[in-house]
Amino acid sequence: TQLLEQSPQFLSIQEGENLTVYCNSSSVFSSLQWYRQEPGEGPVLLVTVVTGGEVKKLKRLTFQFGDARKDSSLHITAAQPGDTGLYLCAGADGNNRLAFGKGNQVVVIP
Amino acid sequence: DTAVSQTPKYLVTQMGNDKSIKCEQNLGHDTMYWYKQDSKKFLKIMFSYNNKELIINETVPNRFSPKSPDKAHLNLHINSLELGDSAVYFCASRGGATNEKLFFGSGTQLSVL
Repeated sequence: TQLLEQSPQFLSIQEGENLTVYCNSSSVFSSLQWYRQEPGEGPVLLVTVVTGGEVKKLKRLTFQFGDARKDSSLHITAAQPGDTGLYLCAGADGNNRLAFGKGNQVVVIP
Repeated sequence: DTAVSQTPKYLVTQMGNDKSIKCEQNLGHDTMYWYKQDSKKFLKIMFSYNNKELIINETVPNRFSPKSPDKAHLNLHINSLELGDSAVYFCASRGGATNEKLFFGSGTQLSVL
């Protein structure tokens, strides 16, 4: 089983501040996905990164895949209360399995 | 239209009972999953079906039995419920390769008393 460690587990910041959360593993993944989950709902895909070193932007969210395809980061610029949620990274292992990390719980205070 | 719908949303039951959770997807996807999310928000895969065939069966107690009558439906039946089964169960579907997105249902919160 490939383990994905997400840090920090919990992060609380003021509106307008920047934040970065991390997803690390000792295993190599063919691709990595980031999902956001809100209370009472299922996770919703934000982005998929495939190439080592790849950077993808989604409005104020910037996702980076590590060169070795073992880790990823999510940076949020000028966080808004609507960014509050549980951010989950998930790695594809090539055996039809998508393994999830335990998530980064982000709270943005107005 | 809801892409992946699961019922019920909430399920409260006594230890020892048998219960089922139903899932349907209208996306035309071939692959469907059941995930369990514990109180610490860890999302762990339980089962995966591809076109009605079981392809992933993680180390789940055999009290849990998935059934896929057709590729649009994947139901989960749980026998002899235990306290430790309390969690949120998510159904999901995927259209193609493993790096394509998963579409999740909104979850079933199971509480075993």
